[in-house]
Amino acid sequence: NAGVMQNPRHLVRRRGQEARLRCSPMKGHSHVYWYRQLPEEGLKFMVYLQKENIIDESGMPKERFSAEFPKEGPSILRIQQVVRGDSAAYFCASSPIIRQGWSVDTEAFFGQGTRLTVV
Amino acid sequence: GENVEQHPSTLSVQEGDSAVIKCTYSDSASNYFPWYKQELGKRPQLIIDIRSNVGEKKDQRIAVTLNKTAKHFSLHITETQPEDSAVYFCAASGDSSASKIIFGSGTRLSIRP
Repeated sequence: NAGVMQNPRHLVRRRGQEARLRCSPMKGHSHVYWYRQLPEEGLKFMVYLQKENIIDESGMPKERFSAEFPKEGPSILRIQQVVRGDSAAYFCASSPIIRQGWSVDTEAFFGQGTRLTVV
Repeated sequence: GENVEQHPSTLSVQEGDSAVIKCTYSDSASNYFPWYKQELGKRPQLIIDIRSNVGEKKDQRIAVTLNKTAKHFSLHITETQPEDSAVYFCAASGDSSASKIIFGSGTRLSIRP
């Protein structure tokens, strides 16, 4: 099991370009989370996806940002017309969401992150 | 929605002493509380977690306590070592497949030699 794979590890974009961040969850995991981490700050929730379904996107900016997790292939976080304020580390995490009786096992395992720099 | 607050934001302790990080949460439906450790430039890694049917859990030098009534949970690290220096995040999640994991703002722990 290779763990959660994110690529690219580092991405440099000029203002106005598009950024595409990819996340392949751990084998057997059907749920993906995306978090943004600004320098010296915490992990801010952006979006939570199941295959072909967005469960919660309450943390994602309404404009320029979109996410998908297709039936086949990795989850994609897309940022259109990037601005300097988008520079951050973007982490993806996956979990199995196995329901066991009264609770769910929701351990989330993180990828190495993509460090986006907008110049 | 859930809101998790974490204190302190920075913590410096002498090697060998104990460190305590505290978190509070707002949603009484939350019942899963993981703790993550993030070393500089690396990904957050799960170090211990606790569910609401237990009050305390221990794993070697790390322990977590949970007070559901007060909506408090804490991380305790005993006999601290230099390799414990990192940023620690608490988090909370609810009891449904639609529950996202919400993180606290992090505590930067430094161990003084």
